Order: sequence, then structure tokens, then C-alpha cells
Amino acid sequence: DAKTTQPNSMESNEEEPVHLPCNHSTISGTDYIHWYRQLPSQGPEYVIHGLTSNVNNRMASLAIAEDRKSSTLILHRATLRDAAVYYCILRVRGGGGNKLTFGTGTQLKVEL
Amino acid sequence: EPEVTQTPSHQVTQMGQEVILRCVPISNHLYFYWYRQILGQKVEFLVSFYNNEISEKSEIFDDQFSVERPDGSNFTLKIRSTKLEDSAMYFCASSSWGTDTQYFGPGTRLTVL
Repeated sequence: DAKTTQPNSMESNEEEPVHLPCNHSTISGTDYIHWYRQLPSQGPEYVIHGLTSNVNNRMASLAIAEDRKSSTLILHRATLRDAAVYYCILRVRGGGGNKLTFGTGTQLKVEL
Repeated sequence: EPEVTQTPSHQVTQMGQEVILRCVPISNHLYFYWYRQILGQKVEFLVSFYNNEISEKSEIFDDQFSVERPDGSNFTLKIRSTKLEDSAMYFCASSSWGTDTQYFGPGTRLTVL
């Protein structure tokens, strides 16, 4: 699996935007970029994924660099509930059934 | 909104005992997974299951582990003879055909004494 690199931790203030970076310089053309997060004492939760174009959903936005060697997860207005570990994961597109390989992720702390 | 459920939330067992962890995946999903997370460590893939057979397993998933879909709704993970190092959170996940999004349950905390 292609490797991703994320900062160990980041801090944000509530109501402010948060930009969580991910480097994936060895990404292949068939790799999708997925983001999951894990709230304290809970299972991982899907956030967003994309291939080449920027993506938006109700939880976040995903900005993908033109060369696809990096991406940024954007939380537009952080809340205390967004404090979690955020994982950037590369996966080959398939019909389903592919495992997720988690790294250590970025621990996001949100303060009042 | 449909969700993956797991029981029990916490299981305490003695070393050498068998345990069965239970999961009810989302009803129209076809792919099922088990992951585990030792305290303070990464989430690790154990096994994936499709069409009533294992499609992939990790090196962690040795002969002590087995999975089963005994009926149309449950998906179980059995550990035959638990070891101290099996103590972890075990997460079940499921996904549907044509999508890579996996939906995780809340986990079962297994404590082996």
C-alpha cells in the first residue's frame, strides 16, 4: 500500500476552520484518497474520499493537489465534537471488500 | 440511519478461554470486516468476509481466530484460546457493493486476564 504522512497532532479553536494535511508522494493513478476519523472511545467513522477533484460533503471538504501527491481535509468550522484522530488512507478503487490500512493519523484538539 | 451494532460492549475472560464477539452489520451490506485496536496503538485489519468466505486475512488472524455468518444478520469473530495479548478493542465493519466506504460498529472491549 502506498504510504501517507500526517502530522501527529494539531490544535484549533472552536468555530474556526481547520486544515489537516496529508502527504502521499507515492500515490498511484488508481488510488483513491479516503479520510476517516475516530472520536474518543468510538469506532472509526468515514469522513470523505476523492480521486482527483475537490470534494465536499456535509462533514468536510477534501482539497487534492493537482499532482495528487498531497491532500487537505478541511473542517469549515471546528466544534468540540470534531476532536478526534483523523486518518488519511489510500485505497485502490474496487467493487468493495478492500481492507483499510490505518496509520497513526493526526490527533486534532479543539479548544474553546 | 442504519448502523453496525456489536455485542457485548465489554467482555472479560480468562486466558485460554474461548470468546465469541458478535456483530450485526447493516442489513443490505455484502462485505464484512473485523479490525482490532490494542490500547494506544493503531487500528489493525484482521479479516474480510464476502459471499460466506474469507476474502483476505492478516498475519494476526491465525488458527486461533475464525469468523462466521451463522444466519442472515449476524457476523461473529471467535477466538478459540485467548491470550493476554488478545486484549484489545475489536471493531466490526461492513460495506455495500460498489462502494469502498466502511461503516464501523462501536466496538467490543476484550480483556483477557
